[in-house]
Amino acid sequence: DSGVTQTPKHLITATGQRVTLRCSPRSGDLSVYWYQQSLDQGLQFLIQYYNGEERAKGNILERFSAQQFPDLHSELNLSSLELGDSALYFCASSEAGNANTGELFFGEGSRLTVL
Amino acid sequence: GQSLEQPSEVTAVEGAIVQINCTYQTSGFYGLSWYQQHDGGAPTFLSYNALDGLEETGRFSSFLSRSDSYGYLLLQELQMKDSASYFCAVKGTGGFKTIFGAGTRLFVKA
Repeated sequence: DSGVTQTPKHLITATGQRVTLRCSPRSGDLSVYWYQQSLDQGLQFLIQYYNGEERAKGNILERFSAQQFPDLHSELNLSSLELGDSALYFCASSEAGNANTGELFFGEGSRLTVL
Repeated sequence: GQSLEQPSEVTAVEGAIVQINCTYQTSGFYGLSWYQQHDGGAPTFLSYNALDGLEETGRFSSFLSRSDSYGYLLLQELQMKDSASYFCAVKGTGGFKTIFGAGTRLFVKA
């Protein structure tokens, strides 16, 4: 158990809908990362937050948005969903924004299926 | 930008040694990490190299050459449970963004 909690574990929805994925980082971790992993693909970096502030952005679609709240949990909002958005969405956390050890702790992921 | 290249698949036999290479291009470099992911599971951290040289952790070792923008993960005494995907990842500018390679799928045969 990494200590990172993601909900929901599974989500099935229709095209055009909007969903929110939630992540609670490890206790004490200030940094939260979101990644998208499509079937048999690598981990695509979406966005990173550190202590409530956006720190780095990847190829995140405009239909997607995220935020980190004062209690450090984070939410990833996906709107106007398309079939291609079906993927496993991982949240990861680390101690600091630029943690020296490079270690990210991953949650078990939220599997989104868009029908 | 940042990009990483690693082989898509490697097959080896139980008890053998396998090396998974990773070359990277990044603007700003803070370190190279390796992660393991079993099917349906979450990536788990294996090792991190910020400086040139070899880091050893049990059966796994990782090497980095910053001048060559190259690293590798060495797995010794392969076991069936090592069958998984292995990702190299680079921390880039400011040490904030961690970008992953496409992954190398390792098949360990009896």
